[in-house]
Amino acid sequence: EVKVVDSGGGLVQPGGSLRLSCEASGFTFSNYAMNWVRQAPGKGLEWVSYISTTGSVILYADSVKGRFTISRDNAKNSLYLQMSSLRAEDTAVYYCVLEAFDYWGQGTRVTVSS
Amino acid sequence: DIVMTQSPPSLSVTLGQPASISCRSSQSLVGSDGDIFLNWFHQRPGQSPRRLIRKVSKRDSGVPDRFSGSGSAIDFTLNISRVEAGDVGVYYCMQGTHWPVTFGGGTKVQVK
Repeated sequence: EVKVVDSGGGLVQPGGSLRLSCEASGFTFSNYAMNWVRQAPGKGLEWVSYISTTGSVILYADSVKGRFTISRDNAKNSLYLQMSSLRAEDTAVYYCVLEAFDYWGQGTRVTVSS
Repeated sequence: DIVMTQSPPSLSVTLGQPASISCRSSQSLVGSDGDIFLNWFHQRPGQSPRRLIRKVSKRDSGVPDRFSGSGSAIDFTLNISRVEAGDVGVYYCMQGTHWPVTFGGGTKVQVK
């Protein structure tokens, strides 16, 4: 059974940093590109970042470019999102999502507030 | 970036009646290989989104045949032939033909 479990969310002050993690199981992680998608409270879905199978191709939404860094460790079946210079508008539930958007994690909540 | 516009923003449907949601893109979603990467998702309150339809009309495994997708180039539709109580929630379209991937604003479906 394919499973992706997001973790690492929490409350952080504006300007602070946070690292999200996603642990995958039930499939060959190294064969699939991955995405992060977020959803602000009461709002719609926003794609955040993409990483290819080996990490050779990385893409970011303009809203996070230069502040967020996506990475993966295929040996650990894990995906990461390092978030820095956080702003109030980054407050959202962050989902780890498989390449074809067919499997989503349960989401991890990030709140940026003083 | 491609803008995906969904209508209506909300829909109240009688149990057993049909429902239809429209999604229009600001540019053609036909890729260089002829494929159209247009997905539909359903998100129940408090849950993660679930993909229902991929590539315009292909239902995902386990999705009832009450759900169908259609469309071409810039206009797409999700139809629910007979709405059930479990169909409540928000439906999103998403284009994956052009980077960045973009989502529609969502259509909230309520059942009366």
